[in-house]
Amino acid sequence: DAGVIQSPRHEVTEMGQEVTLRCKPISGHNSLFWYRQTMMRGLELLIYFNNNVPIDDSGMPEDRFSAKMPNASFSTLKIQPSEPRDSAVYFCASSRDRYEQYFGPGTRLTVT
Amino acid sequence: QKEVEQDPGPLSVPEGAIVSLNCTYSNSAFQYFMWYRQYSRKGPELLMYTYSSGNKEDGRFTAQVDKSSKYISLFIRDSQPSDSATYLCASRYYMDSNYQLIWGAGTKLIIKP
Repeated sequence: DAGVIQSPRHEVTEMGQEVTLRCKPISGHNSLFWYRQTMMRGLELLIYFNNNVPIDDSGMPEDRFSAKMPNASFSTLKIQPSEPRDSAVYFCASSRDRYEQYFGPGTRLTVT
Repeated sequence: QKEVEQDPGPLSVPEGAIVSLNCTYSNSAFQYFMWYRQYSRKGPELLMYTYSSGNKEDGRFTAQVDKSSKYISLFIRDSQPSDSATYLCASRYYMDSNYQLIWGAGTKLIIKP
């Protein structure tokens, strides 16, 4: 199995620009999670989906963040407009029935 | 107070030493406990998980849970430089028809050759 795939691996953008992060979960997994990791705040859950339906988005910091999962094999996390404080590593993880989570390699986002 | 507390370290030990990594949690409803290992610039990877109090062993790694004191431990025997990484504990519980996964801050471990 290829594991969780994320793209891009690195993203550098200017403040105010739209950023879209992409994730392909492991085939057969029905739960998908978006996390943000920073030195200051550690690993934070932003949102998770079960069977393509958003279940808990209480971790989404503000309306500038949105996430979609149009089908079982693809999800996006969008930030519009981006701000320097959004700079972090964003991880996508998937699991089967919300048990052990398997993480992707992450997208390192830098907003200047 | 965070629901899962973990000393961020760094913890530096010589190669071959026994390493003890620890977490405490506050919620008695936590049912399921996991240890993840994260190498620099990589995603966390599941190392071990356990449900009940007691020990679970996998090679050089032993996970221990004491639900009476709400204490989680990971022991690494014969530590190797390749074990240098950040170790995150996580606890899961069921609330409002959903599973919640609570993460510790992670402990950075350095094994000196």
